[in-house]
Amino acid sequence: GQNIDQPTEMTATEGAIVQINCTYQTSGFNGLFWYQQHAGEAPTFLSYNVLDGLEEKGRFSSFLSRSKGYSYLLLKELQMKDSASYLCAAMDSNYQLIWGAGTKLIIKP
Amino acid sequence: GAVVSQHPSWVICKSGTSVKIECRSLDFQATTMFWYRQFPKQSLMLMATSNEGSKATYEQGVEKDKFLINHASLTLSTLTVTSAHPEDSSFYICSARGGTSGSDSYEQYFGPGTRLTVT
Repeated sequence: GQNIDQPTEMTATEGAIVQINCTYQTSGFNGLFWYQQHAGEAPTFLSYNVLDGLEEKGRFSSFLSRSKGYSYLLLKELQMKDSASYLCAAMDSNYQLIWGAGTKLIIKP
Repeated sequence: GAVVSQHPSWVICKSGTSVKIECRSLDFQATTMFWYRQFPKQSLMLMATSNEGSKATYEQGVEKDKFLINHASLTLSTLTVTSAHPEDSSFYICSARGGTSGSDSYEQYFGPGTRLTVT
């Protein structure tokens, strides 16, 4: 079956770095997405990886290892506004997104 | 980036009535639109996928006669919740896909969501 695993909740300190891991099992693979969702709002796109390696975009970076079925989202210089849920989603061979349950990130001052 | 609008942003209706939610892609043509439902503190649950001009594909467990989806054009899809009941109260989110190349072809752009409360 198809499955996405990510931690339910993480806590970090303002100004620090946090890494949110995601493992996936899909029928075929066409890329891995990370989305940010604040409470009561729709998800917003953060990153897309289809090749192995690290993609850096400002304070956020995303890493993919296709052979390991593994990705992580790295958030640097954490700010209070980064408190949100982070959703990992893998695209299968039918170009459908398989969603993880999301990781709630709590930032403490 | 691509913009998707959703209307209304929130709606309260009485049990037994029907509610229509519109999803529009404002600056691109959406070949595929997705409808999700999200309950509090839970992840997105895909309800159905619709391609312009064809019938929607519903996920297992989603009643197609209750959640009517129409994707009449490349910029508009509608979800109608028929004979709504309190258990249908949820956050309904649409997304659209339809870029021309690379990751744009696969990325889903989300609407702001519609919060439905059935009393």
